[in-house]
Amino acid sequence: NAGVTQTPKFQVLKTGQSMTLQCAQDMNHNSMYWYRQDPGMGLRLIYYSASEGTTDKGEVPNGYNVSRLNKREFSLRLESAAPSQTSVYFCASRSTATNEKLFFGSGTQLSVL
Amino acid sequence: AQSVAQPEDQVNVAEGNPLTVKCTYSVSGNPYLFWYVQYPNRGLQFLLKYITGDNLVKGSYGFEAEFNKSQTSFHLKKPSALVSDSALYFCAVRGEYNFNKFYFGSGTKLNVKP
Repeated sequence: NAGVTQTPKFQVLKTGQSMTLQCAQDMNHNSMYWYRQDPGMGLRLIYYSASEGTTDKGEVPNGYNVSRLNKREFSLRLESAAPSQTSVYFCASRSTATNEKLFFGSGTQLSVL
Repeated sequence: AQSVAQPEDQVNVAEGNPLTVKCTYSVSGNPYLFWYVQYPNRGLQFLLKYITGDNLVKGSYGFEAEFNKSQTSFHLKKPSALVSDSALYFCAVRGEYNFNKFYFGSGTKLNVKP
């Protein structure tokens, strides 16, 4: 049972380059999330998708775009990477039925030089 | 707006001693509170939650948390710490009006020494 799978695990970009972080969950969850984790700041919500076909901004959406491709997949795109986007990115999912619990992927460590 | 605060960046405790990791929250309605744990190079894992009911909530790996409404606190506790409990711990609160949003504290690093 894979849970939440993120790719890649590591990435180094130059300023101005673009890339897409992929996330897939096999738990049939409705909601999916992208967070970034920075030292001393905890996790901050970038974007979320409450259900297939919908996306909404979180606390720090600037510089990012997302796509909820289907119920399983939720991708995060950096169109023009900046050093301030150096961070660890986590994807998470949640069933909106009765369970409030978030399930997290193992993260993507992104460095922008 | 809802938020959580974790006042300690780091907590050090000897193995076998009780541990407490502190969290305070700010919401205007009923709080939905959570604790998560992160081991090195891993994603966060759910430990426990408080929705309603008993103020003492039991969770995974022998952890429990005490909800105190008057002090707006939700401290994580364990009676006897293990070296393997060493990790980063995050307190979180669910959005009050937007049930899809979860807000996390800055995290507390727990070091359990043998």
